[in-house]
Amino acid sequence: SAVISQKPSRDICQRGTSLTIQCQVDSQVTMMFWYRQQPGQSLTLIATANQGSEATYESGFVIDKFPISRPNLTFSTLTVSNMSPEDSSIYLCSVVGQLADTQYFGPGTRLTVL
Amino acid sequence: DAKTTQPTSMDCAEGRAANLPCNHSTISGNEYVYWYRQIHSQGPQYIIHGLKNNETNEMASLIITEDRKSSTLILPHATLRDTAVYYCIVRVMEYGNKLVFGAGTILRVKS
Repeated sequence: SAVISQKPSRDICQRGTSLTIQCQVDSQVTMMFWYRQQPGQSLTLIATANQGSEATYESGFVIDKFPISRPNLTFSTLTVSNMSPEDSSIYLCSVVGQLADTQYFGPGTRLTVL
Repeated sequence: DAKTTQPTSMDCAEGRAANLPCNHSTISGNEYVYWYRQIHSQGPQYIIHGLKNNETNEMASLIITEDRKSSTLILPHATLRDTAVYYCIVRVMEYGNKLVFGAGTILRVKS
């Protein structure tokens, strides 16, 4: 299985600011995804991070609010822009390996917006 | 992807087997059944997956009914550390297909 790390593990931010979350994988992976988990809720997919091209966003999520980069097969970033308290959530990076059979998750980034 | 239905919560005594049910009556022939769990404030952890045969690994067993409309995840000897939210998800195993999470079952293992 892939080993996934995320930075930062948690942060407290002021409204109106932006935060960039990094996801690093210890091996090359075919797919990378970003999920959000709001307090007391299940996971919701934000977007698929595509290597070398624009991310594919799910309904309800837009690039201006959640810009994503994926410069290579082991790294991706998610930025939460112009934050409000409603953005307080756990943000999770997820990957699918070469076999495409199993999806693995990082430890998450806990974001609190004041 | 087919929708799944799970009980909201379950209790289990420590040391006993935990049997977590999942209904997926609209599952397609090429959809796999996946189980993940999420221990408080951590990222989801993969447990097991299967297509139609029963599967077993070091963590759990997965029993899928013959008509594939339901399945059961079995933790043979539950411990307090197995307290978590357990998610049953059906997914086509193909490139680009991602997991869609439902509400899951809160399993509480009690001493």
